[in-house]
Amino acid sequence: ILNVEQSPQSLHVQEGDSTNFTCSFPSSNFYALHWYRWETAKSPEALFVMTLNGDEKKKGRISATLNTKEGYSYLYIKGSQPEDSATYLCAFLRTGGFKTIFGAGTRLFVKA
Amino acid sequence: DAGVIQSPRHEVTEMGQEVTLRCKPISGHNSLFWYRQTMMRGLELLIYFNNNVPIDDSGMPEDRFSAKMPNASFSTLKIQPSEPRDSAVYFCASSLIRGTYTDEQYFGPGTRLTVT
Repeated sequence: ILNVEQSPQSLHVQEGDSTNFTCSFPSSNFYALHWYRWETAKSPEALFVMTLNGDEKKKGRISATLNTKEGYSYLYIKGSQPEDSATYLCAFLRTGGFKTIFGAGTRLFVKA
Repeated sequence: DAGVIQSPRHEVTEMGQEVTLRCKPISGHNSLFWYRQTMMRGLELLIYFNNNVPIDDSGMPEDRFSAKMPNASFSTLKIQPSEPRDSAVYFCASSLIRGTYTDEQYFGPGTRLTVT
């Protein structure tokens, strides 16, 4: 059974706070790790595609790191804004077929 | 490009009826994924295709579910007969996977299915 775990399940922060979430995944048969942002009543949209151990990606105030050997990825948001409120999903893709397994997500609430 | 197109956006049907969900992937993408979203189980992969061929259907809940991809621009997910527990949002996503290069998945708007 392949488990992709995300923590915390939900997070309430104030505008301006910096925050981070964790995605844990199997360290074997790694192919790629994706991060998605999912706003209520919309579809998930990709933030990052990460494939190499040690990868660090950044898009504006959001960044992510990847450790494939120990099986985790961190997503950081610097200076959270109310519009950052969404569910952040990570997805693990494994070799040999590219089966995609999503975590349950971290629900972020940013209060103005 | 219009993105991934799904139809219908909403479907309400009675238990026992056949339901067909449709998806048009982004042109040029070679992989297509069907997902089901429920409160209890989150986003679950049902089946995915690569170059129109089903690669992994282990997520399909039971024989009542079937999926086809007759060509690179069209896929269907069929439920026959439908049951109330099939009520969920069904997403289709497409992607480009080629060797060591993988693109992110682009999701359609989803079909909200309600089975009464």
